[in-house]
Parts: sequence; structure tokens; C-alpha cells
Amino acid sequence: QKEVEQDPGPLSVPEGAIVSLNCTYSNSAFQYFMWYRQYSRKGPELLMYTYSSGNKEDGRFTAQVDKSSKYISLFIRDSQPSDSATYLCAMSGRGKIIFGKGTRLHILP
Amino acid sequence: NAGVTQTPKFQVLKTGQSMTLQCAQDMNHNSMYWYRQDPGMGLRLIYYSASEGTTDKGEVPNGYNVSRLNKREFSLRLESAAPSQTSVYFCASSTITGTNYGYTFGSGTRLTVV
Repeated sequence: QKEVEQDPGPLSVPEGAIVSLNCTYSNSAFQYFMWYRQYSRKGPELLMYTYSSGNKEDGRFTAQVDKSSKYISLFIRDSQPSDSATYLCAMSGRGKIIFGKGTRLHILP
Repeated sequence: NAGVTQTPKFQVLKTGQSMTLQCAQDMNHNSMYWYRQDPGMGLRLIYYSASEGTTDKGEVPNGYNVSRLNKREFSLRLESAAPSQTSVYFCASSTITGTNYGYTFGSGTRLTVV
């Protein structure tokens, strides 16, 4: 079983819709959970991070962690064309960080 | 504030040629990393430097060497380029290795080996 699994997409949704992006993981040592956004031909940039289980909200973005299910999610409300990018989950613990392969998201005007 | 700067942005090499990818950060970060990103493979760690004076192998180190020149600079060298090294290379830095502090990435070097 891979340490981190993420559906590559592409995921296409109409502007204004709620987007749900997800990752599953197998290593229970992970304690920090991050989401990176990567625009085409750019480097990834840190979008949000959370520690342990629970929710964290930042504007239109909500990160959710369920450690019991080893499942993390990123929700985007009122999606905009500018949200079109690849979203990578990442998780770390015990000095190790693992990235998901990324989900390509297209927001259709 | 420049963050992480990578040079060059694009490069085409012939098989067997050598080159060095440069990376510099101005955030006073201790740790620096080199990743390659390939379609369907995600980000794969090549080498990292937890602090000035130390370097360690990552997941895919074969065919590469690194130098942590000082706290700001971390270079990646391909001694004899192969077509399998065609990729996008990202340098990143962080305050502490492998924690929630997050990585700051450069904008990448697109390398093609023909």
C-alpha cells in the first residue's frame, strides 16, 4: 500500500461549485497535514496546514483531517477560475514528509 | 523578498553532458531540498541538506550530486546527463526538516536531455 494516495483527476467543476479534494494515507506516524497549490509552470506553494485531527478554515478553503480513517480533505467554496491548478496533499511526521501526486482541478467559467 | 531562486529556468542537454542547477534562498532557512517532478510520479526527493555542512540521499539520488555551498545555496549536479533525467527540478527550503513548517519552492528548472 502506498503511503499517500491521491486521485490525479482531472476534476472539472463549474464556477461557484464546492470542490472536494481528498487524500488517504497509511502511516499513522503522520501528524502534520498540508495542502499545496501548484499553478502551471510554477512551483508548489503552501496553501494550508493542520496538526492532528480536526478542521481549519481560511477564507474559501477548509482543510479537514480524520486520523481515525487516515483521510484528509480540502474543500473550496464558491470556486473561481483562478482556483484552477494542481493540488498536492502532503503529510509529515518523525522528520519525514511525503507528497501526494496531485489532483488537477479545472474550474469552468 | 525573492524566496527561493533557481537558475536556469530552462536547459537542453545532450546525453553525456554535465551541468549544475543552482538554488539560493534568502529566508535564513536551515534545510534545503532538491526534487524532481514527472507526470504521474509526483514529487520525488533527490537529495536534501538538513543544515549547512550536511547532505543526505533522498528517494532517487542515482546520477546526481549536491553541494551545500553555504546556508543560502544548494546546487545539484548532473555529471553525465541521461534522457531519463528529463524532468522538472524544484529546489525547496524549510525552517526545520520534515515538519509542518512547510516548504517554500522555487519556480523550477525544466531540463530536457536529448
